[in-house]
Amino acid sequence: GAGVSQSPRYKVAKRGQDVALRCDPISGHVSLFWYQQALGQGPEFLTYFQNEAQLDKSGLPSDRFFAERPEGSVSTLKIQRTQQEDSAVYLCASSASRDRPEPEAFFGQGTRLTVV
Amino acid sequence: RKEVEQDPGPFNVPEGATVAFNCTYSNSASQSFFWYRQDCRKEPKLLMSVYSSGNEDGRFTAQLNRASQYISLLIRDSKLSDSATYLCVVRSGNTPLVFGKGTRLSVIA
Repeated sequence: GAGVSQSPRYKVAKRGQDVALRCDPISGHVSLFWYQQALGQGPEFLTYFQNEAQLDKSGLPSDRFFAERPEGSVSTLKIQRTQQEDSAVYLCASSASRDRPEPEAFFGQGTRLTVV
Repeated sequence: RKEVEQDPGPFNVPEGATVAFNCTYSNSASQSFFWYRQDCRKEPKLLMSVYSSGNEDGRFTAQLNRASQYISLLIRDSKLSDSATYLCVVRSGNTPLVFGKGTRLSVIA
């Protein structure tokens, strides 16, 4: 597709369940970012990949959160043993090049996770 | 202190009004600045980049004051379709984008 695609769009998980969120970036985009957006807040950075390398994971809130991008294209954000405070929209964004001065980041529509 | 701070609003303005949003950032090493627009339950989309000399795109004008570390967005002749949340975004070198919480605008007929 032409844009960033995320799946599923909506996910309801029981507390303690593991979830996996998928992101298909724009074809050829080198950089991929994951953000978490709680209701009424701006997106908060989670982690960043350049190709398959995870260059920054400083925003991951706990060791229950894990992200990978093994072949430098599709990425998966996994949350283990979900808790209610994990409920948020998880946004994925990609951009063409890390080194461009002002690369525009294109966002997917997000996955709305609700932990019950 | 948050790295990027914005007045959350909401700003409720009549059609045709001029409205201005300000944003402050704490990292003096920030090099790139943007305004993103986010509609309800949608993803953020780039509205405009912000340059040191100031830049204009139709009814939208963005200004950057590096000395005071603030960024502004001016919307002239507001339209109903301008109703959205406006996110101030900064970037330092090759780091990921850092977002403010957003300012909510409602344009009323």
